[in-house]
Amino acid sequence: DTGVSQNPRHKITKRGQNVTFRCDPISEHNRLYWYRQTLGQGPEFLTYFQNEAQLEKSRLLSDRFSAERPKGSFSTLEIQRTEQGDSAMYLCASRLASGDAFFGPGTRLTVL
Amino acid sequence: AQKVTQAQTEISVVEKEDVTLDCVYETRDTTYYLFWYKQPPSGELVFLIRRNSFDEQNEISGRYSWNFQKSTSSFNFTITASQVVDSAVYFCALSEVRDDKIIFGKGTRLHILP
Repeated sequence: DTGVSQNPRHKITKRGQNVTFRCDPISEHNRLYWYRQTLGQGPEFLTYFQNEAQLEKSRLLSDRFSAERPKGSFSTLEIQRTEQGDSAMYLCASRLASGDAFFGPGTRLTVL
Repeated sequence: AQKVTQAQTEISVVEKEDVTLDCVYETRDTTYYLFWYKQPPSGELVFLIRRNSFDEQNEISGRYSWNFQKSTSSFNFTITASQVVDSAVYFCALSEVRDDKIIFGKGTRLHILP
C-alpha cells in the first residue's frame, strides 16, 4: 500500500495524559499536513512541513501541541495534557509542492 | 486571506437526478489550486480533482464534472445521474501557490435517496 498511513487509528485517553500520533506520507512527497476535524465540520488546518521544516503553525494550535518531521519522512503530532476539547479526528495529508494532496485514514482521539 | 464557502449545508435528491454542489472561494493570489474531496460515511477523505487557476477548461470524469469560473470565483461540482453510493460529504478546498497551505470549506452533505 503506497498511500498515506496513520497510527493509531483510534486513541482513547484520560484528560491530562499525553498522546502522540504518527503519519507516514507517500514516500516521494515533500509536503506533509496535519488537520483536525470535528463532527459536522470541515478539516481545520493545524500545521504543515516541507521536508523537515515546519512552515506554518495555525493559531488553533496551543502550546500543548507540537509536531515534528525529523528526517523529512514520517511525522508525529503530540498533544500534551489532553483536554476534552481535543477530542476530534486528526488527519494527515501529503503531496508534492502544488500537487495532488492525499489523506490518510485519520486518528480518532477521544479524551475522557 | 484565503477562504472557501460552501453555502449548501445539506442536499437531498432522488437517485438518478443530477445535482450540483457549489463552491465559492476568495484569494488575493493569481496562482492557486482548487480541490474537491469526498468523505463517505467511512470517514476517509478521497481526492477527486485538483484544478490550476490558469486552466479554466471544464473537466469531466465519468458522471462527475467540474465548472471553474474565475469571473465569479466559483468551482462547482456536478454529479450526473446520481447513485446512492454518491451519498457523502463533499469538500471544496483552496491552496495558494505562495504558501501551499490547503484551506477547506465546511462541506456539503449529500443524500441520494433510492
